[in-house]
Amino acid sequence: RKEVEQDPGPFNVPEGATVAFNCTYSNSASQSFFWYRQDCRKEPKLLMSVYSSGNEDGRFTAQLNRASQYISLLIRDSKLSDSATYLCVVNTAGNTGKLIFGQGTTLQVKP
Amino acid sequence: GAVVSQHPSRVICKSGTSVKIECRSLDFQATTMFWYRQFPKQSLMLMATSNEGSKATYEQGVEKDKFLINHASLTLSTLTVTSAHPEDSSFYICSARRDNSYEQYFGPGTRLTVT
Repeated sequence: RKEVEQDPGPFNVPEGATVAFNCTYSNSASQSFFWYRQDCRKEPKLLMSVYSSGNEDGRFTAQLNRASQYISLLIRDSKLSDSATYLCVVNTAGNTGKLIFGQGTTLQVKP
Repeated sequence: GAVVSQHPSRVICKSGTSVKIECRSLDFQATTMFWYRQFPKQSLMLMATSNEGSKATYEQGVEKDKFLINHASLTLSTLTVTSAHPEDSSFYICSARRDNSYEQYFGPGTRLTVT
């Protein structure tokens, strides 16, 4: 079983739609959680950290459920520019900062 | 912001030669940097953790004598791919962890093609 699992998609949605991505992780000792965005042939960019209380940044909302070992990302009012691969990322190894990446979920927003 | 640069962005080399890739954190100190490799349509795979002033920690299956890592300062780590072969062709990405944080910031990547 992969340490971080995501549905690879692709998710094809129209502009303005709301879309949700889910992610599960296997190690209950995981400590920090992130969503990164990666555009084709580019490096990943940090989208947001995910906290137990949930957090929101504009159109993006991230939630963490430690009991179910589940992380989600909600994108409201999708824009064409949101088209990318969204990576669920987990830090498990304490102070080493080692990150484990999911394989990513591809989003394509259509006009 | 947190900016990480990587050089070169693209390199083509002949089989058997060595290639050095530099990773710099431009506006913050990074005691720890990471090197990843990404093959087409796959996720990033961690190769090694680079610690300033000490030996790198390599992931299982990554040959430390082939992928030499040096982290001589708080803002610079280098990865040298020695005796490169076509199967080493990949997208190599470094990241730097801001001290006292778990967040990592990625360099723009180096696309290596070995002919």
